Amino acid sequence: EVQLLESGGGLIQPGGSLRLSCAASGFTFSSYAMSWVRQAPGKGLEWVSAISGSGGSTYYADSVKGRFTISRDNSKNTLYLQINSLRAEDTAVYYCAKDVDITLEGCFDPWGQGTLVTVSS
Amino acid sequence: SYELTQPPSVSVSPGQTARITCSGDALPKQYAYWYQQKPGQAPVLVIYKDSERPSGIPERFSGASSGTTVTLTISGVQAEDEADYYCQSTDSSGTCPFGGGTKLTVL
Repeated sequence: EVQLLESGGGLIQPGGSLRLSCAASGFTFSSYAMSWVRQAPGKGLEWVSAISGSGGSTYYADSVKGRFTISRDNSKNTLYLQINSLRAEDTAVYYCAKDVDITLEGCFDPWGQGTLVTVSS
Repeated sequence: SYELTQPPSVSVSPGQTARITCSGDALPKQYAYWYQQKPGQAPVLVIYKDSERPSGIPERFSGASSGTTVTLTISGVQAEDEADYYCQSTDSSGTCPFGGGTKLTVL
């Protein structure tokens, strides 16, 4: 069974940094692209970033480009999202999601349960 | 990246058919995907590549594409189908926008 478990969320002050992790199991991690998707409280889904299975290609939404960095460690079956210069509008549940191909197909199945990031002083 | 437009809400009675639309300029060239999200839960893929249904998704869920609009149809709606539904696609620059979401209410 495919499982994705996010961690690293919490309460952080504006301007701070955070690294989110997503531990994957139940599939050959390096064979699939992965994405981060966030959801602000009471709002819709927003795709944030994606990375190919090899890690050689990365993609970002315009809203986070330059502040967020996606990476992966295929030896540890773990996906990461480094978030710098945090703003109040980054407050959201952050989900990791498995793609259906080694390159970015943009089909997310399944999703983890999410980790909450709250940016507040 | 481009935008995907969904109606904010759709309401149907149990047993009726619910149709949720999603419009976007790139949809004739790119596949669309649909996700169901119930309160407090992670989204679940219900339709991929415009009209394909993942294993485990009930047959009452179907998808179709016509020009710049894709449609999620739920036939014989049940109370358990009440949820938020999001369409999503990709664009040539490698971004994966979501629609704004549609709240399906089962009356």
